[in-house]
This record gives sequence, C-alpha cells and structure tokens, in this order.
Amino acid sequence: GESVGLHLPTLSVQEGDNSIINCAYSNSASDYFIWYKQESGKGPQFIIDIRSNMDKRQGQRVTVLLNKTVKHLSLQIAATQPGDSAVYFCAENSGGSNYKLTFGKGTLLTVNP
Amino acid sequence: NAGVTQTPKFRILKIGQSMTLQCAQDMNHNYMYWYRQDPGMGLKLIYYSVGAGITDKGEVPNGYNVSRSTTEDFPLRLELAAPSQTSVYFCASSIQGAPGNIQYFGAGTRLSVL
Repeated sequence: GESVGLHLPTLSVQEGDNSIINCAYSNSASDYFIWYKQESGKGPQFIIDIRSNMDKRQGQRVTVLLNKTVKHLSLQIAATQPGDSAVYFCAENSGGSNYKLTFGKGTLLTVNP
Repeated sequence: NAGVTQTPKFRILKIGQSMTLQCAQDMNHNYMYWYRQDPGMGLKLIYYSVGAGITDKGEVPNGYNVSRSTTEDFPLRLELAAPSQTSVYFCASSIQGAPGNIQYFGAGTRLSVL
C-alpha cells in the first residue's frame, strides 16, 4: 500500500539554528499533509498542515513546503529552541471521505544548547 | 480544555490477563481512533469509529476489541494479553468533514505485558 516515509531518522542542531525535517510520500492522491510533534512521554501534537493545492504555508516559526513533482514535504523550524526537541511525524490524508491518516515513522530532532 | 483523555497512563499485565484502556473526548468529535506505537516505529491503526455504534478494523486489530456506545467514549479491550501487545497506545479523535482530517491525540497509555 501507499506509505509516508522520512529521509532522516535523526537530526541534531544547535540552538538558534534553523532545522529542516524531510518527508517523502508515495500516494499521489493525497490531498492533505500534516505535521505532528511528539515530545518524550506525550502524545502527538498537531503543528501545521498544508493542502495539496499549496506549495508553502507558514506558521509561528514553522514553514511547511510541498513539492508535488517529487512527492516531498518538509518542515522548517526557524531559530530552533531546546523546547523543539521532539520526534516530528508527517502524515497524509487522501481527502474526500477518507478519514484515516497514514503516518511516517518520525524524525528525532535534538537541539543542543 | 480536556481534549482527549486516556486512562490509565501506565499498566503492567501478566500474560493472559485482560484489561480495558479508556478514552474519552469532550470535543464532540464524530471520529475516534486507537493506535499503537512501538519503539522507533510509526503509529499503527488498531480500530476506528466514525460515530456511536459504528466501529471498524484498522491495520492491526487482532487481539483487540472496541465499542462505541457514546460519542464521547471509545474503550479498547485486550482480552488475553500477550507480550506482543507491549506498546504505547494512543487514542485520537477528529471532526467529521474537517479538511485533512486533523486528529487530536491523548497522552497515551504505556502497557507492558510480562
């Protein structure tokens, strides 16, 4: 079946640097993409989403970029802080009446002070 | 706002024991889900429900059962616990018709079967 995957399982950055977390997807019918943050011992928390008719969407310190040509999604975190240390998941939804999400394995982001 | 509440937070079971993982949401969401998360792995869907009285299997339903008698509650039942069911279990909910089906998660139940 279709799946969502990640290029890098771990990422270590210095506090204040920008972080980029990547995700590849294979279902060309996917209509929405969602990024979640999961801190140690907690449940996944919604960060930002993007619809397939958009290339870019910005939130507070986060930007998601979507490249449909190569089926690639990225999450950029500006001025990374220690509180950003977590596992980041991408998820895809094929839209319509499909109420299920397909999750990637996640990337562990570690921010060094 | 409570959101999605899961109980218990931790539990240790012996092989063959039974238990129910509780999940409640106060957001009036139609859709509810149960996932398991094994170390270093992504979320795998166990069961889901699109409304009270309606449930369906996900990717990994074997060894589990669910019920959905109310909109708010979606308990997950383990009848004969096995070591392979050692995992972290997450309940989630989403609202019908919401773009992208953004799901909101509880804090999880960490289960060990010994």
